[in-house]
Amino acid sequence: NAGVTQTPKFRVLKTGQSMTLLCAQDMNHEYMYWYRQDPGMGLRLIHYSVGEGTTAKGEVPDGYNVSRLKKQNFLLGLESAAPSQTSVYFCASQTGLETQYFGPGTRLLVL
Amino acid sequence: KQEVTQIPAALSVPEGENLVLNCSFTDSAIYNLQWFRQDPGKGLTSLLLIQSSQREQTSGRLNASLDKSSGRSTLYIAASQPGDSATYLCALEGGANNLFFGTGTRLTVIP
Repeated sequence: NAGVTQTPKFRVLKTGQSMTLLCAQDMNHEYMYWYRQDPGMGLRLIHYSVGEGTTAKGEVPDGYNVSRLKKQNFLLGLESAAPSQTSVYFCASQTGLETQYFGPGTRLLVL
Repeated sequence: KQEVTQIPAALSVPEGENLVLNCSFTDSAIYNLQWFRQDPGKGLTSLLLIQSSQREQTSGRLNASLDKSSGRSTLYIAASQPGDSATYLCALEGGANNLFFGTGTRLTVIP
């Protein structure tokens, strides 16, 4: 039982490049989330999903897209990366009223 | 929008001391409040979850309280140990699967 895993762990992009961050969970959780963590600002919700095939916007969705084609996977895409998207990205999953389980994070640097 | 504040931002204590971390919030219409621990370069680990109808939760040396009327929560750590050194985050779920995080308190327990 690996819990929540994230790929890659670290990535450097140039402005304008695109990439996809992958989140996978093996706990059969319905809900999945993408957050970004920036110094002095706490974690902020980017997008979330309440089930396979569904997605919704969070607090800071601009510049990101997501897809939940399989229950166990939640993908976060950056179509045209900007330096303001330099951050640490966390994925989480949840079932019912339980706590959210977080992945180890992906550090992204956009030059 | 929910505003979550954690004071102090950093705290150093000698080993063995009891300590209290504070969390305040502006909107009392919450589903639950959670305390997380984050180690450097790692993801978040849930410590305690207090449902809206509850006043406190305990786990080992940790006790968390919730007072919705005053918009406050505290995390009490008894007999602190060097292994307790980490950043502690409080988060409130206000519905729509959205967690609002504070910026955290960085705790250092000195041996």
